[in-house]
Amino acid sequence: KQEVTQIPAALSVPEGENLVLNCSFTDSAIYNLQWFRQDPGKGLTSLLLIQSSQREQTSGRLNASLDKSSGRSTLYIAASQPGDSATYLCAVRAAGGGADGLTFGKGTHLIIQP
Amino acid sequence: GAVVSQHPSRVICKSGTSVKIECRSLDFQATTMFWYRQFPKQSLMLMATSNEGSKATYEQGVEKDKFLINHASLTLSTLTVTSAHPEDSSFYICSARGQTGVHYGYTFGSGTRLTVV
Repeated sequence: KQEVTQIPAALSVPEGENLVLNCSFTDSAIYNLQWFRQDPGKGLTSLLLIQSSQREQTSGRLNASLDKSSGRSTLYIAASQPGDSATYLCAVRAAGGGADGLTFGKGTHLIIQP
Repeated sequence: GAVVSQHPSRVICKSGTSVKIECRSLDFQATTMFWYRQFPKQSLMLMATSNEGSKATYEQGVEKDKFLINHASLTLSTLTVTSAHPEDSSFYICSARGQTGVHYGYTFGSGTRLTVV
């Protein structure tokens, strides 16, 4: 059974710093990996999607990497801003047929101090 | 971009009553929708996969008679929590995947906070 772990569980940094969020998964047979942002009491906003054949994806100040063989992904946030404060979730979709809902980590709760 | 609308955003109900949550894909047809539940400080957990025109597939440990799913059209799936109890209080969120396969990622609704008193 796939398990997704996110480290750290919480992170608080001053505005302007660059930071890295980590995600690991136990089964490397994935179709893709997706990073989401969740604001308190809200739904999920997709940030980046990396297909299993890709190594990284970039969007603005965000860069996500994927090392499928080692079961790891990182989300790099450059020049952090208070508006980046949220919970960041990592989720994987299993490869192959069958049910293909996502398996989520518990998230990293990020606070950017003004 | 793809938009999924979920309603209601919040609901408070009495123990023993039933609550229906709607999930609509607004600008694309969703052959498959997913229902998740999230308890405080926990991961989103997949409850069931809803396929248009067929029975939903439930994850292990999820009672299909308690969580009724109907996916009668390509744009609407509903989750009904029957005979709700306080332990059903949670954040429920739906997700949809498009018909054409263009949407390799998943689009999520805004979620429903259910409180059973």
